[in-house]
Amino acid sequence: GQNIDQPTEMTATEGAIVQINCTYQTSGFNGLFWYQQHAGEAPTFLSYNVLDGLEEKGRFSSFLSRSKGYSYLLLKELQMKDSASYLCAVRDSNYQLIWGAGTKLIIKP
Amino acid sequence: GAVVSQHPSWVICKSGTSVKIECRSLDFQATTMFWYRQFPKQSLMLMATSNEGSKATYEQGVEKDKFLINHASLTLSTLTVTSAHPEDSSFYICSATGQGISGANVLTFGAGSRLTVL
Repeated sequence: GQNIDQPTEMTATEGAIVQINCTYQTSGFNGLFWYQQHAGEAPTFLSYNVLDGLEEKGRFSSFLSRSKGYSYLLLKELQMKDSASYLCAVRDSNYQLIWGAGTKLIIKP
Repeated sequence: GAVVSQHPSWVICKSGTSVKIECRSLDFQATTMFWYRQFPKQSLMLMATSNEGSKATYEQGVEKDKFLINHASLTLSTLTVTSAHPEDSSFYICSATGQGISGANVLTFGAGSRLTVL
């Protein structure tokens, strides 16, 4: 079966760095997405990786290793507004999106 | 660019009534739209995929006669929850992909519609 694993919850301190991991087992691979979702709101796009390596976009970076079925989202200089759920999703060989359950990130002052 | 408008944001209805949720792509042609349902503290669950001008493809376990999806144009898809019951209360989110989106690999989401059935 297809599976996306990410931690249920993480806690970090304002100003620090946090890494949210995502491992996947899917039938084929056509890209990995990271979305941010604040409570009661729709997800917003953060990053897309289809090739191995690190993609940096401001305070957020996303890494992909296709051979390991692994990705991480790195958040730097954490701000209180970064408290949200972070969703990892993989597009399989049929171009279907397989979603992880999301990681709830709690930022403490 | 690539804005998806979803309406209504909030809806409360009585059990047994039907509710229609609209999803519009404002600045691009959405050849494919997706409808998701999200229960509290859970991840997105894909309900169906709709392509313009054709019947929607429903995920296993989703009743197509209860959740009617229409994608009659390249800018509009609707989800109608028929004979709604309290267990249908959820957060319904649409997303769209198609020509004109900057960054062709991005799904653009609507803001979501929170349905409460009394």
